[in-house]
Amino acid sequence: IAGITQAPTSQILAAGRRMTLRCTQDMRHNAMYWYRQDLGLGLRLIHYSNTAGTTGKGEVPDGYSVSRANTDDFPLTLASAVPSQTSVYFCASSDGPGRGNYGYTFGSGTRLTVV
Amino acid sequence: AQRVTQPEKLLSVFKGAPVELKCNYSYSGSPELFWYVQYSRQRLQLLLRHISRESIKGFTADLNKGETSFHLKKPFAQEEDSAMYYCALSGEYGNKLVFGAGTILRVKS
Repeated sequence: IAGITQAPTSQILAAGRRMTLRCTQDMRHNAMYWYRQDLGLGLRLIHYSNTAGTTGKGEVPDGYSVSRANTDDFPLTLASAVPSQTSVYFCASSDGPGRGNYGYTFGSGTRLTVV
Repeated sequence: AQRVTQPEKLLSVFKGAPVELKCNYSYSGSPELFWYVQYSRQRLQLLLRHISRESIKGFTADLNKGETSFHLKKPFAQEEDSAMYYCALSGEYGNKLVFGAGTILRVKS
């Protein structure tokens, strides 16, 4: 593993089903994030974690949950998927929290389609 | 509240022409601004940060606090510059970034 790994790469999911998107990093970054990317809206923060054991809500957290049991893993769960959650999901990490960060490292994304 | 505005969804230029991707932000404090780039079928990657005042791949961006802008510029566009470009702000939320909607740059030969 080098950087951030996301799985699966893509998924078609029936509405109402539960789904966990996986994210693993090997850079020992403290902070991790989940964003969704939608055309015309850019990237919007879903949830974040400043350090292992802590999580926080972003701009669009409804319908999603996260956990941060250790430094490396930051899974995102959709408890009961709805079509509006069709999107591309990006996991990212940084040395943060704190000002003066050096930017994010992003995963390759998960393309999720809810039907 | 923090906000990043990229007014152009698509910018199309000819190879060799100058490029300017616009970014305006709203933040009352002292911001940190970034440009990220996403090439076709690749992950987002950091292009440059305003605090480092660097030039990457010929691109530069100057923070103008008076105009609350952080426009990305390149004097001569190349075909390999074609990509999606995102402007991002780190402000009151600490290290968390707020992204603009993105601008697709298409460089035509």
